[in-house]
Amino acid sequence: DTGVSQDPRHKITKRGQNVTFRCDPISEHNRLYWYRQTLGQGPEFLTYFQNEAQLEKSRLLSDRFSAERPKGSFSTLEIQRTEQGDSAMYLCASSFSALRQGRTDTQYFGPGTRLTVL
Amino acid sequence: AQKVTQAQTEISVVEKEDVTLDCVYETRDTTYYLFWYKQPPSGELVFLIRRNSFDEQNEISGRYSWNFQKSTSSFNFTITASQVVDSAVYFCALSEALWGGKLTFGKGITLSVRP
Repeated sequence: DTGVSQDPRHKITKRGQNVTFRCDPISEHNRLYWYRQTLGQGPEFLTYFQNEAQLEKSRLLSDRFSAERPKGSFSTLEIQRTEQGDSAMYLCASSFSALRQGRTDTQYFGPGTRLTVL
Repeated sequence: AQKVTQAQTEISVVEKEDVTLDCVYETRDTTYYLFWYKQPPSGELVFLIRRNSFDEQNEISGRYSWNFQKSTSSFNFTITASQVVDSAVYFCALSEALWGGKLTFGKGITLSVRP
């Protein structure tokens, strides 16, 4: 049973460049979440999807950030015109939810993508 | 709004000591989940436990135990007979239960277990 995977694991970019990260959830999970973690802090929620629908976005998610999950499987997170303040670990998590059954399962996290903006 | 407070930032113990990590939460939701995750130096968050707000029974799993007290909005985590491999950052987190969705994390507690 494979867990959540993220690619790349590390990304170094120059300020002003665009970057894109990919997350592959656990195969049977219909929910996918993105979080950002800066040094010495807990992860902060960015956005999440149920299947291909983006259900919630944090106010932290500026216009330069966009996330997609076009086929309800993998997701991408793009940051346009990166700034030094975007340097962080970007974490992806997935879970299974069946609201009609009153079931919302635990979120399992991937290894993260560490972004450094020079 | 939801909030999780982990007042301890760093704890250092000697191997085989018991250690308790504190977590206090705030929420207006009537049903919610509480979690503990471990983040070892490798960086990946590892799930440890989830408790429903309706279930205040304490839980024990090996050397780990959790004390949930709704009256004081606390969900504390105790490691008995700590080991060097327990060294990590530990996060307490909260989510609304009915729809699930986002986790709200505390700032984490860095635990160092010395041989």
